[in-house]
Amino acid sequence: AQSVTQLDSQVPVFEEAPVELRCNYSSSVSVYLFWYVQYPNQGLQLLLKYLSGSTLVKGINGFEAEFNKSQTSFHLRKPSVHISDTAEYFCAVSSYGGATNKLIFGTGTLLAVQP
Amino acid sequence: GAGVSQSPRYKVAKRGQDVALRCDPISGHVSLFWYQQALGQGPEFLTYFQNEAQLDKSGLPSDRFFAERPEGSVSTLKIQRTQQEDSAVYLCASSVSSEQFFGPGTRLTVL
Repeated sequence: AQSVTQLDSQVPVFEEAPVELRCNYSSSVSVYLFWYVQYPNQGLQLLLKYLSGSTLVKGINGFEAEFNKSQTSFHLRKPSVHISDTAEYFCAVSSYGGATNKLIFGTGTLLAVQP
Repeated sequence: GAGVSQSPRYKVAKRGQDVALRCDPISGHVSLFWYQQALGQGPEFLTYFQNEAQLDKSGLPSDRFFAERPEGSVSTLKIQRTQQEDSAVYLCASSVSSEQFFGPGTRLTVL
């Protein structure tokens, strides 16, 4: 079984400050890792994904994440946030080579950017 | 090109009513997923189709939930005898590889 933990339910940050959203996962098999963003009343949009290769992954809107296998983490970072980054962020995993590639999501982190 | 679309966007049902939620995936996408997102929670997997075959329905919470994709494109999620605990956003996603593309969801409110 797999699980995802996002310890921070809400992260307040001032505009232009750096931010890190934490994600830890548990799995007995190799996984793919994803970060999705959800704006109010909208579906999920993929920010970035780790499938294999370089552990530092760059995504859209200036976000990046680093896969750390030993710590089973996949934290999301941005060096300077904007008001428009205010949204809910979800970390997710799926089994590498799994039959369905279904996503297991964390409970989400609300990034609240303040002016 | 067009993304994943879902209809209706909002649905209000009285307890005990049956509802049907529609998903139009991206053309050519073989895989289709349904997820349920309760208020303040992350999405939870319901069921998975590869073309018209329903290969995984392990996430369906009860036998009141039924999904189909008869021609391998449009999918319908049906909930019979709705209960208040069924209130949630129902998300559909389609994919051809590791990335899933999500629709805007249907917000179901059961009164």
